[in-house]
Amino acid sequence: GAVVSQHPSRVICKSGTSVKIECRSLDFQATTMFWYRQFPKQSLMLMATSNEGSKATYEQGVEKDKFLINHASLTLSTLTVTSAHPEDSSFYICSANSGANTEAFFGQGTRLTVV
Amino acid sequence: LAKTTQPISMDSYEGQEVNITCSHNNIATNDYITWYQQFPSQGPRFIIQGYKTKVTNEVASLFIPADRKSSTLSLPRVSLSDTAVYYCLVGEGGSSNTGKLIFGQGTTLQVKP
Repeated sequence: GAVVSQHPSRVICKSGTSVKIECRSLDFQATTMFWYRQFPKQSLMLMATSNEGSKATYEQGVEKDKFLINHASLTLSTLTVTSAHPEDSSFYICSANSGANTEAFFGQGTRLTVV
Repeated sequence: LAKTTQPISMDSYEGQEVNITCSHNNIATNDYITWYQQFPSQGPRFIIQGYKTKVTNEVASLFIPADRKSSTLSLPRVSLSDTAVYYCLVGEGGSSNTGKLIFGQGTTLQVKP
C-alpha cells in the first residue's frame, strides 16, 4: 500500500520554542493531507486539512496562528507548532489518500513533549 | 459525517473470534463504513471497508445489515498482537472520498493469553 512518513517520530522542546513536523507521501502525490492530534487514551481529533498550493482549512477551535501548516509540494506537508507550551504535548498524526477511491494512509505519528 | 457509537472496550482470549459492533443510525446513502486499527504510539491502519452486505479480506470480515444502521467487524481467531484500538468510521467513499475522517472513541480490544 501507499506510504506516508512523518519526521521526527519524537521531539522534546522547551516551552516557548517552535517545532516543525514533516509529513511526506513517499510513493504518491497528495493534493490534500490531514493533521490530527491525539491525547493519551483519547481518540484522534482532526486539526486541519492541508491543501497543496493554498491555505489550510482549520477545524473549529484550532488556532491557525499557533499551528502553521504549509503544503508547498504534492508530497510534503509541514505542521509547525509555534511558541509551544506543555499543553501542546501530544501525539500528532498526518494522513493522505493516494486517490479518491482509496483508504487513508497514516504516518507513524510524532510524539511531541514540551518541557 | 455520520456519528458512530462503539463499545469502549472488549476483552477476548487468543484463538477466539471477536465481533465489534458499531452503530451509525444517521448513515447517508453515499456513506461507506471503514474500520481502522491503531496500536499504541502508531498511526491508524486501514482494516476493511464496505457499503452493504458482507466484505471479507485476509484480515477481517465486515457485516452490514440491509438498513446499514450498524456494522460488525469480525476478527477470526485473534492473537495477542490484535490487542489494539479499533475505530469505526462512516463517510463518503469511492470517488467522493475526500480523505477527511472524524474519529469516534473507538473500541479498545484486549486479547488475553
